[in-house]
Parts: sequence; C-alpha cells; structure tokens
Amino acid sequence: LAKTTQPISMDSYEGQEVNITCSHNNIATNDYITWYQQFPSQGPRFIIQGYKTKVTNEVASLFIPADRKSSTLSLPRVSLSDTAVYYCLVSGATNKLIFGTGTLLAVQP
Amino acid sequence: EAGVVQSPRYKIIEKKQPVAFWCNPISGHNTLYWYRQNLGQGPELLIRYENEEAVDDSQLPKDRFSAERLKGVDSTLKIQPAELGDSAVYLCASSLEGWAQDTNTEAFFGQGTRLTVV
Repeated sequence: LAKTTQPISMDSYEGQEVNITCSHNNIATNDYITWYQQFPSQGPRFIIQGYKTKVTNEVASLFIPADRKSSTLSLPRVSLSDTAVYYCLVSGATNKLIFGTGTLLAVQP
Repeated sequence: EAGVVQSPRYKIIEKKQPVAFWCNPISGHNTLYWYRQNLGQGPELLIRYENEEAVDDSQLPKDRFSAERLKGVDSTLKIQPAELGDSAVYLCASSLEGWAQDTNTEAFFGQGTRLTVV
C-alpha cells in the first residue's frame, strides 16, 4: 500500500486559499487519491477524489501531476469552519482505506 | 436517508469488563470498516468486511477483540476484557462495493463511540 506524507499542521486566515500537499511516491497504477476532512468528535467526511490531472467540486479542487507521486488539495477562501484535520489517502482495488496522521488546518479570523 | 449509525455514543467501563459497539451501515453498502482512533492520531483500521466476510482483520487484536457481521448488514465489535489502553473512539464506516473500472468508492463514517476505560 502506498504510504502518504503530509504536513502535520498549517495555519491560515479567513478568505485565503489553502493548499495542502501530500506525497505518495509508491502509488500504484490502480490507486486513487482521496481526501477526507474530520472535525472534532465526528467521523471523517469525504471531500474529493481523483486519479490524475485536476478534479473540482463545490468544496475543493484536487491537483495531481502526471507522475501521480503527489497531490494537492486546494481549499478556496477558507472560513473558520474549515478548521479541521485533513487526511490524504491512497487506495485501489483492495478498497483498503489507510489513514495517516493528517494535517491540522487552523483558520484564524 | 440516515447515514452510518453507531451506538452507544459514549461508554465508560471499568477495566477487565466487556464492552460492545454496534454499527448499522448505509443500506446497500456491502463494505463495512471498523476503525480505532486515539487522540491526535488518524483512524487505524481494525477490520474490514465485504458482506459477511472479514477480508482484512490483520490489525485486530484477536486475543481480546472480536467482530461479527451477521447477514452482511449490521455489525458488532466486542472487547473482552477491556484494558486501559483501549480508551479511544471506535469508528464504523461503510461503502459500496469497491473499485469499479473507472471509479473508486467513498466511505461514509458514523460519529463513533467514545470508549473510556477506567
């Protein structure tokens, strides 16, 4: 299984764009890249998923370079309510979701 | 439609006592996961079911932990006897059958059961 590496924490201010990068050097051909968000006292929540290039939904964008060895979650114009832990996962045919320690994003006024 | 439902939300027990957690996945989801999450860490996979079959239980401490998913729907996770180090949040998640040709799957999580062993 591809192991992921992401920053332990990041700080931002309201209204800014936040980019969280995840490294997954050993990603396999069949693996997808998925990001989850977790608020205190709640289970993780799916944000976005991609295989290559760029994916965008109403919440975030996911940028994946051609070699797929990293990915960047982009959150446009963050607000205080975006303060959470963000997890990058790589999974494929095994459907095995392995979480790392995640990135704690702290958004300040 | 209700999401993944877990009960109880909180449980406090004395060490050496048994405890059980219950999970009702989203209707139609054949994959079910149990995770344990310690404070400040990411969820750790304990066991994964495909229907009623446990396809990955390599991280389940089998000397004291057990799980079942009868009829491939609801699932229970049991600890007997509980130890102080078992204090954590136990999360259940479910998803549709994994990995089709051109898409992956999204897992939906319950709110978890916070276990405190004293």
